[in-house]
Amino acid sequence: QSALTQPASVSGSPGQSITISCTGTSSDVGGYNYVSWYQQHPGKAPKLMIYDVSNRPSGVSNRFSGSKSGNTASLTISGLQAEDEADYYCNSYTSSSTFWVFGGGTKLTVL
Amino acid sequence: EVQLVQSGAEVKKPGESLKISCKGSGYTFTSYWIGWVRQMPGKGLEWMGIIYPGDSDTRYSPSFQGQVSISADKSISTAYLQWSSLKASDTAMYYCARRAGYNYHYFDYWGQGTLVTVSS
Repeated sequence: QSALTQPASVSGSPGQSITISCTGTSSDVGGYNYVSWYQQHPGKAPKLMIYDVSNRPSGVSNRFSGSKSGNTASLTISGLQAEDEADYYCNSYTSSSTFWVFGGGTKLTVL
Repeated sequence: EVQLVQSGAEVKKPGESLKISCKGSGYTFTSYWIGWVRQMPGKGLEWMGIIYPGDSDTRYSPSFQGQVSISADKSISTAYLQWSSLKASDTAMYYCARRAGYNYHYFDYWGQGTLVTVSS
């Protein structure tokens, strides 16, 4: 059982926007601004897309944005493109002994 | 250019030992934590543990404490993940990843992964 809860799948058509949620507790998502998001294409290593809730690393498209409200963080992808089809994982620092926890992952399908 | 290059795929039998590696380049290896992440077949990411090569300070996720050992050789900029007695359930892809800074809470560079298959 994953510590952070994500929907198993989301889908959208090219050009549309989608949002992936990531729900935790006050011990992780809600307690710190240390949520990050990773994109993973099949057979590839994860890639950092968002860090510290809403910051984009250099080179990541501005179509990707992050936010947080209470114990739930969100990743929004606007102007969906075929290349965005991948698995997405949220991650948060936690005050528990695990230090960091991942969400279960969300499979994004671009229709 | 920052790179983390992991050792190649391994096929082992239950009970055997194994040590996989992650070599960092393009940055000061001793100044950044290196973490290890497991991904079982068709499953999500699980954080295993982390090491600071500068002083070998090591932390483990409780789920992996006592199951694996993490180490580093700063003279060759390489971190390791080791098993003393593999189980079939250790079959997974293992990634190393660089923590972005000493007190940062995200991982900015990842290795390409090492596939470990444990089967009799």
